[in-house]
Parts: sequence; C-alpha cells; structure tokens
Amino acid sequence: AQSVSQHNHHVILSEAASLELGCNYSYGGTVNLFWYVQYPGQHLQLLLKYFSGDPLVKGIKGFEAEFIKSKFSFNLRKPSVQWSDTAEYFCAGDRGDNAGNMLTFGGGTRLMVKP
Amino acid sequence: KAGVTQTPRYLIKTRGQQVTLSCSPISGHRSVSWYQQTPGQGLQFLFEYFSETQRNKGNFPGRFSGRQFSNSRSEMNVSTLELGDSALYLCASSGDNEQFFGPGTRLTVL
Repeated sequence: AQSVSQHNHHVILSEAASLELGCNYSYGGTVNLFWYVQYPGQHLQLLLKYFSGDPLVKGIKGFEAEFIKSKFSFNLRKPSVQWSDTAEYFCAGDRGDNAGNMLTFGGGTRLMVKP
Repeated sequence: KAGVTQTPRYLIKTRGQQVTLSCSPISGHRSVSWYQQTPGQGLQFLFEYFSETQRNKGNFPGRFSGRQFSNSRSEMNVSTLELGDSALYLCASSGDNEQFFGPGTRLTVL
C-alpha cells in the first residue's frame, strides 16, 4: 500500500529564514506527488505538483520541491519565508498507474512564521 | 469560474442519525473525490466518483456511501452516525491533473 509521511509536525521560523519540509513516500511504482497548503480558515490549495520530467518543480508563491527517486523524497523548500506563509502544509501522493484521483496525504506540518 | 461548493458548511447530528452532504464540482469536471479530515487521522480518502460510477474506494466502513448525478454533483451519506465521525468532510473535483478542494462540511456528532 502507498503511504506518505511528513517528519516535521510543527516548525517555527522567523521571517526571511529558509524553509525545508520533509516528505517521504513509499510506493515502488510511478507516483504523482503534490504539496498542498491550508491557510487558517481557508480550503486546501495546490502549491505544486510533480508527474514526470524535471525533478525540480517550481510552484506558486516562491515554493519549490525536488523529487529524489533514490530517497523516495519530495521535500518542499522556500528560500525566504514570510509571515503570510503561516499555514499547514500537506504532502500527498497518487499512484501514477491508477486511473482516477485518490490522494494519500501525509500528516501535515504546521508552520508558524514569526514576524 | 466558480470553485467547488459544499453544502451545508456546518452540521450537528446525534449518534445513530444519518447525514447527507452535497458537493458541486467545478463546471466541466467529471471526477469528484471525498476526504475526511480529523485531528487524529489527518486527511483520508473516502471514495471517488467519475461519470456517476464509483471509481476508487478508501478503507472506510459501509456506513459511508456516495453517489454522483448526471450533472456531476455528488452526495455522500453516513448512516448510523458515531462520535468518531465528527470531522471536516472535503470534496475535490479534478481537472488538468489537479484536484481542487472545496471549503468542506464540518460535521459534529453529539
């Protein structure tokens, strides 16, 4: 069975600090990987997605993620966070060989950025 | 383009009752997926409907069911509610290799 894990449950950073959130998946076949963000009181929004090709994926709001197949990882990065990045971040995966849309989510990481 | 809408936004029910939640996908999207979000279990996939047929199913008991209509609107039903069913239920419609999530229905079971 496929699983996605996020190691950091809570992260506190100061503005302008660099961010890296870990995500690991377990599935031997083709996977599609996603990072979603949930701002306080808002619904889930897609930050970026990886299906194939260039393993370095750029998303919205200055976020990027790198797919490292040998490490089964898809870590999210941002060089300089802002107070407005305070939110909960979810990594998710979907089997690339499955017809349909069936995301498996990690447990989420709550990020607090101090002004 | 209107986003995914879910109704109602909040519900309070008592144990043993049943509940029906509704989801209207983005216009043109034929796939609708449902997820349950709780503090303890996180986000878990319930099921997906595509063209009125259940295409994928998660690991939830038979008390959780759904359906999809010809206009792609979907409903999910939970029968014989338990306290543990209290959660935020999210609906997502799919297009362009992306799932777009609605605001959710917060269900409280007393």
